[in-house]
Amino acid sequence: GAVVSQHPSWVICKSGTSVKIECRSLDFQATTMFWYRQFPKQSLMLMATSNEGSKATYEQGVEKDKFLINHASLTLSTLTVTSAHPEDSSFYICSARFSGQGPEKLFFGSGTQLSVL
Amino acid sequence: QKEVEQDPGPLSVPEGAIVSLNCTYSNSAFQYFMWYRQYSRKGPELLMYTYSSGNKEDGRFTAQVDKSSKYISLFIRDSQPSDSATYLCAILVQGGKLIFGQGTELSVKP
Repeated sequence: GAVVSQHPSWVICKSGTSVKIECRSLDFQATTMFWYRQFPKQSLMLMATSNEGSKATYEQGVEKDKFLINHASLTLSTLTVTSAHPEDSSFYICSARFSGQGPEKLFFGSGTQLSVL
Repeated sequence: QKEVEQDPGPLSVPEGAIVSLNCTYSNSAFQYFMWYRQYSRKGPELLMYTYSSGNKEDGRFTAQVDKSSKYISLFIRDSQPSDSATYLCAILVQGGKLIFGQGTELSVKP
């Protein structure tokens, strides 16, 4: 199946700093990329949807100025957590979709564990 | 009411047991119903999905959808220790977005 590469897999930062997470589709062009957040023992919650070359669409309750998403090409999307605080500590997962409708067109990255001290 | 609800467990069974995992959903317009498996600190991987109602079988795994009761199930036969993971049901909505259940943590003991 298609591969989505997500980096870094683990990051620890100090409160107030910014962290960038990359999501790359390695062998296909992703028309849409999604960013999810998962707290311990909880489900994945969609944060935002991004399409290449356009502004991301954020879910209700997600601060767009805090979670900056850039989808500059069909193979790369980045999520920047700005001025991170301990409550932002979570597992962040990206998903990429190539052309089509079904679930088989969606692929997930391996996730990034963010710990803010 | 949450759009997708799933019993979080945890669920512990002996090796060889039949496992039943279940979710309910609220919107009768949903058409794609998926089951994902997630190992600790990894991204979810698609196990199988059904479109509309009915059953789908893949090896030891069977997915069922009952649209009349808005109930989806995943059955695992002859469960193995390697099946130990968190299982997430999910609904595919417009635009490729996924709505996940809370996930059920399964442990299969040798």
